Amino acid sequence: TQLLEQSPQFLSIQEGENLTVYCNSSSVFSSLQWYRQEPGEGPVLLVTVVTGGEVKKLKRLTFQFGDARKDSSLHITAAQPGDTGLYLCAAWNNNAGNMLTFGGGTRLMVKP
Amino acid sequence: EADIYQTPRYLVIGTGKKITLECSQTMGHDKMYWYQQDPGMELHLIHYSYGVNSTEKGDLSSESTVSRIRTEHFPLTLESARPSHTSQYLCASSPDREAYNEQFFGPGTRLTVL
Repeated sequence: TQLLEQSPQFLSIQEGENLTVYCNSSSVFSSLQWYRQEPGEGPVLLVTVVTGGEVKKLKRLTFQFGDARKDSSLHITAAQPGDTGLYLCAAWNNNAGNMLTFGGGTRLMVKP
Repeated sequence: EADIYQTPRYLVIGTGKKITLECSQTMGHDKMYWYQQDPGMELHLIHYSYGVNSTEKGDLSSESTVSRIRTEHFPLTLESARPSHTSQYLCASSPDREAYNEQFFGPGTRLTVL
């Protein structure tokens, strides 16, 4: 059982559409991160959310941390082909030597 | 842009060969990590290091070994490669702060064992 469950696993949409991807857990986290990984590259940090209920915006991307700090969502407005990639949520797991644990990822494809 | 490098980017080798995947970072980070990732799938931590002469095994059991003789260098070695080792290997580092550490990733080495 994964500590972080991401949904959907795959998403294929047309340019201009909006989308939301989710990261859920039964555990409470002190912080949660979202990374984006493009094909052939390593993940790159997009945002860190810390406070329950926190909302952060990064251009067309909106990140929200759940009130109970167990879940998070990423909403993309007017998706563009450049948004294509693997979106990974990650949280610091104090029960695992304070290591960063990753979810399974959502693979997004935005078609022109 | 992160200053963390991995070589080679791609490697195709035969079964039984010994290989070393190189990872170097110029950011002075104490913490370094190796992850294994099948294409488009989640990352699994296989090794990590808190600093020089520190190495620990991660969540996913791996037949590989690592060493940390210098802060900037964290190579991964497979003594005898097998087809089951075919995967992408990602190296990462993070600054030695208590909370909310960002991990900086290298571009990865895609390993294929025939």
